[in-house]
Amino acid sequence: AQSVSQHNHHVILSEAASLELGCNYSYGGTVNLFWYVQYPGQHLQLLLKYFSGDPLVKGIKGFEAEFIKSKFSFNLRKPSVQWSDTAEYFCAVKTSYDKVIFGPGTSLSVIP
Amino acid sequence: DTGVSQDPRHKITKRGQNVTFRCDPISEHNRLYWYRQTLGQGPEFLTYFQNEAQLEKSRLLSDRFSAERPKGSFSTLEIQRTEQGDSAMYLCASSLGAAGNNEQFFGPGTRLTVL
Repeated sequence: AQSVSQHNHHVILSEAASLELGCNYSYGGTVNLFWYVQYPGQHLQLLLKYFSGDPLVKGIKGFEAEFIKSKFSFNLRKPSVQWSDTAEYFCAVKTSYDKVIFGPGTSLSVIP
Repeated sequence: DTGVSQDPRHKITKRGQNVTFRCDPISEHNRLYWYRQTLGQGPEFLTYFQNEAQLEKSRLLSDRFSAERPKGSFSTLEIQRTEQGDSAMYLCASSLGAAGNNEQFFGPGTRLTVL
């Protein structure tokens, strides 16, 4: 069955630290990949997406992600986190048809 | 606010009762999705519509669940004979075209608690 896994359930960082959140998916075909973010008390919103082309994609607020097909991975990175990045982060993959499968999420806490 | 709206935001009900939730998507969006999210998990796909047609239903959607989008605008999700295991956040999202190729915009969710 298609699935998405995220390496960490909860990450705690100090401001200015670098961030990398791991995401792996299980599906052998063509995929579209997403990272969504949910700030405290707010709706889920799209952070960035990969459909094709350059495997390094840039999103909002200084986030980027790299698609490595051979590793079935789509890791999220940010060189220097801010307190305002405290949120829940979800990796997601669209496989066949129009169904998007979400990972379990990683809770990021940034300490000022 | 021209985003996706959901009503009610919270619902507490007793086991065995029926509940109905409403979702109003962004007006020009032809696709509408329902998800369920439990604590510590990401959203789980339930079903989706293209205009008024329901195109796919998850195995998670038992016979007690039914969703409609009668005029291709708002949608309702009904749960009959609720069970404690139905307690979750129910999310609605909409997109202009296929979610795999377009951004899904999420609503605030309806939190259901079944006592």
